Amino acid sequence: DIQMTQSPSSLSASVGDRVTITCRASQSIDTYLNWFQQKPGRAPKLLIYAASSLQSGVPSRLSGSGSGTDFTLTISSLQPEDFAAYYCQQTYSVPRTFGQGTKVDVK
Amino acid sequence: QVQLQESGPGLVKPSGTLSLTCAVSGGSISSSNWWSWVRQPPGKGLEWIGEIYHSGSTNYNPSLMSRVTISVDKSKNEFSLKLSSVTAADTAVYYCARISWGDGYNYEDYWGRGTLVTVSS
Repeated sequence: DIQMTQSPSSLSASVGDRVTITCRASQSIDTYLNWFQQKPGRAPKLLIYAASSLQSGVPSRLSGSGSGTDFTLTISSLQPEDFAAYYCQQTYSVPRTFGQGTKVDVK
Repeated sequence: QVQLQESGPGLVKPSGTLSLTCAVSGGSISSSNWWSWVRQPPGKGLEWIGEIYHSGSTNYNPSLMSRVTISVDKSKNEFSLKLSSVTAADTAVYYCARISWGDGYNYEDYWGRGTLVTVSS
């Protein structure tokens, strides 16, 4: 299985901050990388697919980058609705594996 | 708008079989999508269980493969999950999701609300 490692596991930030979350794959996955947001008691929501393609309806302050083994999710100016957990997922090979998650909370 | 809804018992006894169904509305299960199951133990991260195509083709997580069966019922527009020999470690919120394809990439773009299954005597 391909292991996905996110960092940090949690971070505290304020509204307006620039936030960066990284995801590293245990082997190259080209750009077969998705990002999800999950709020408490809710299902995950797709934010970005193919490492950098923004899902329809997702605000442009979110962006993704990377290829191979190293990937980044960036929120350019954190908004109140962005406080949540974020997960990366590789779809390069079965089983589709997720990172352990990064929780973004209020500083 | 595609909607998915999980249903099934919320409590399963140890060594028993967990059975869940995902009803799909607003779209056909026979479309060019795969359909998946993902679970999340309380307070923990996401684990992909497996996926199915309307033809019946499946892929499973090797860590669960010996205990998992995913099936599809095109007449009811739904797909199902069975997980046998359950233990407390299988206690989780179980989500069903649709996998879409775009430009050669695939992603879960629609999810059910999830259903909590507790394994306990």
